[in-house]
Amino acid sequence: GAVVSQHPSWVICKSGTSVKIECRSLDFQATTMFWYRQFPKQSLMLMATSNEGSKATYEQGVEKDKFLINHASLTLSTLTVTSAHPEDSSFYICSAYGGELSSYEQYFGPGTRLTVT
Amino acid sequence: AQSVTQLDSHVSVSEGTPVLLRCNYSSSYSPSLFWYVQHPNKGLQLLLKYTSAATLVKGINGFEAEFKKSETSFHLTKPSAHMSDAAEYFCVVSENDYKLSFGAGTTVTVRA
Repeated sequence: GAVVSQHPSWVICKSGTSVKIECRSLDFQATTMFWYRQFPKQSLMLMATSNEGSKATYEQGVEKDKFLINHASLTLSTLTVTSAHPEDSSFYICSAYGGELSSYEQYFGPGTRLTVT
Repeated sequence: AQSVTQLDSHVSVSEGTPVLLRCNYSSSYSPSLFWYVQHPNKGLQLLLKYTSAATLVKGINGFEAEFKKSETSFHLTKPSAHMSDAAEYFCVVSENDYKLSFGAGTTVTVRA
């Protein structure tokens, strides 16, 4: 199957700082990328949907000014957690979708574990 | 609106015995249904997918699931569990292959 990478795989940052997470689609051009959040022992919650070249669509309850999403190319999307706080500590997972180019499947990255101290 | 309910938060089986993970779904349309597996510190892997073709779907690693519209269920089974099957399993529904709604997950432990 197709490969989606995330970088970094884990990051520790201090409260009040910002951290950027990259999601790359390595095998196909992803027209759409999704960002999920997963708390320990819980399910994945969709945070936002981003289409290349347009603004992201955020799910209800997700602060768009806190979680900045940029989808500048068909192979790269970034999630920036601004002014991070300990409650933002979580596992962030991206997925990429390319329609016919990805056989109409979403492919998931391995996730990024964020710890805010 | 679409949603899934995984009926068991934790399933424990002995190696070599059958595994059953239960999932019920709710959807306004004819949905696509998926089962994903998540091993510790690994990305989600698609086990199988139902898209209105055959109601019995065969997936990877010996897993299969049966779509039952009358029961709005999509239970996942495997005849014989292996130690490597210990992981978190998610039932997922989508009305357009685009936006996925995940169940709460079922943790599978396999006893030697």
